[in-house]
Amino acid sequence: SQTIHQWPATLVQPVGSPLSLECTVEGTSNPNLYWYRQAAGRGLQLLFYSVGIGQISSEVPQNLSASRPQDRQFILSSKKLLLSDSGFYLCAWWDYNEQFFGPGTRLTVL
Amino acid sequence: SQKIEQNSEALNIQEGKTATLTCNYTNYSPAYLQWYRQDPGRGPVFLLLIRENEKEKRKERLKVTFDTTLKQSLFHITASQPADSATYLCALHNMNTGFQKLVFGTGTRLLVSP
Repeated sequence: SQTIHQWPATLVQPVGSPLSLECTVEGTSNPNLYWYRQAAGRGLQLLFYSVGIGQISSEVPQNLSASRPQDRQFILSSKKLLLSDSGFYLCAWWDYNEQFFGPGTRLTVL
Repeated sequence: SQKIEQNSEALNIQEGKTATLTCNYTNYSPAYLQWYRQDPGRGPVFLLLIRENEKEKRKERLKVTFDTTLKQSLFHITASQPADSATYLCALHNMNTGFQKLVFGTGTRLLVSP
């Protein structure tokens, strides 16, 4: 069966520091991968999606970037974090009309 | 503009009653609509999918309706239990892009009291 791993589970970072969140998927090949952010009291916002290695599409302009160096690895990054980057970050993949989510990373920017 | 609206206020009901959650949307023509459950601190989990040509879909104690004329979906949990307490998200499949993508509502929190 398919599994999504995300790490770290929680992260507290100062404003202006860099960020790297990692997502890996097991049990599937060439998955469509997604990064979402869920801010307090708000819905899931799609940040990036990827259909393959090196192929990244951005949904909204922001302080973040994404990369897909391997088929089952999806990385979310920032060079300098802002307070507004705080939130719950979820990696997901798509399989037959259903979205599977990872356990998420809780990011707090102070 | 495109909108997906779910009641932001928590829904409080007694155990054994039927919970009904609403999802309304504007300026979308979704091929299908999905409902997800999200527990605190965890990722959403898929529950049900209903297509535009389906009026109703059932799964155990769950029932979803989809009215493309009213642009509304109703999500029902019958014989509710405290374990059903969670936030429920609706999501539309966005056909305006050439890529599989869902647009999520903000979710409604359900609290079932014993």
